[in-house]
Amino acid sequence: DTGVSQDPRHKITKRGQNVTFRCDPISEHNRLYWYRQTLGQGPEFLTYFQNEAQLEKSRLLSDRFSAERPKGSFSTLEIQRTEQGDSAMYLCASSTVRSLNTEAFFGQGTRLTVV
Amino acid sequence: DQQVKQNSPSLSVQEGRISILNCDYTNSMFDYFLWYKKYPAEGPTFLISISSIKDKNEDGRFTVFLNKSAKHLSLHIVPSQPGDSAVYFCAASVNLSGGKLIFGQGTELSVKP
Repeated sequence: DTGVSQDPRHKITKRGQNVTFRCDPISEHNRLYWYRQTLGQGPEFLTYFQNEAQLEKSRLLSDRFSAERPKGSFSTLEIQRTEQGDSAMYLCASSTVRSLNTEAFFGQGTRLTVV
Repeated sequence: DQQVKQNSPSLSVQEGRISILNCDYTNSMFDYFLWYKKYPAEGPTFLISISSIKDKNEDGRFTVFLNKSAKHLSLHIVPSQPGDSAVYFCAASVNLSGGKLIFGQGTELSVKP
């Protein structure tokens, strides 16, 4: 399978704990995005990388959130001191800049539940 | 500030008939529009897109129409099939924004046999 892969698929954690999610993009894609989706809403942009450079961060991304893409391949999203409001589906997507307009391909997401 | 809006949370259509899903946007800088389909517990799957220089794009049973003056786009599915039942998201981007997508809230389509 050469699609976008996310791990884990589900995570239940206690409030105050730290969690880390991993995303492996499509291999030839140099752009990687993180989105968050809550019930009844569309995905909301969090941040994106072009190769290893983090080029934009949303205001939604508080200081407790950090994302990395150290070698321009896989990425991690860490949430420190989780809160119940962090419960959501975290989606990763990747795309290529070969053409001006190109669609992003999404992974299956990581469902986070903070109890 | 909801820049992309899908005002119909749900739509029910009979199998074989046309499904029309609508989307409105407010940011005139958007120049690329996409539709994604999402099944429960899965990530969104790309369906079809359209650049702002066009007013129509067709791919099999799916056609997207763009009306820039009205800041409105629609997705037509003809004929509708039960397997089309899913949540459909409209998304928009600005070419120079690095491909960041702004999504609508989604419309849940139910195609009944």
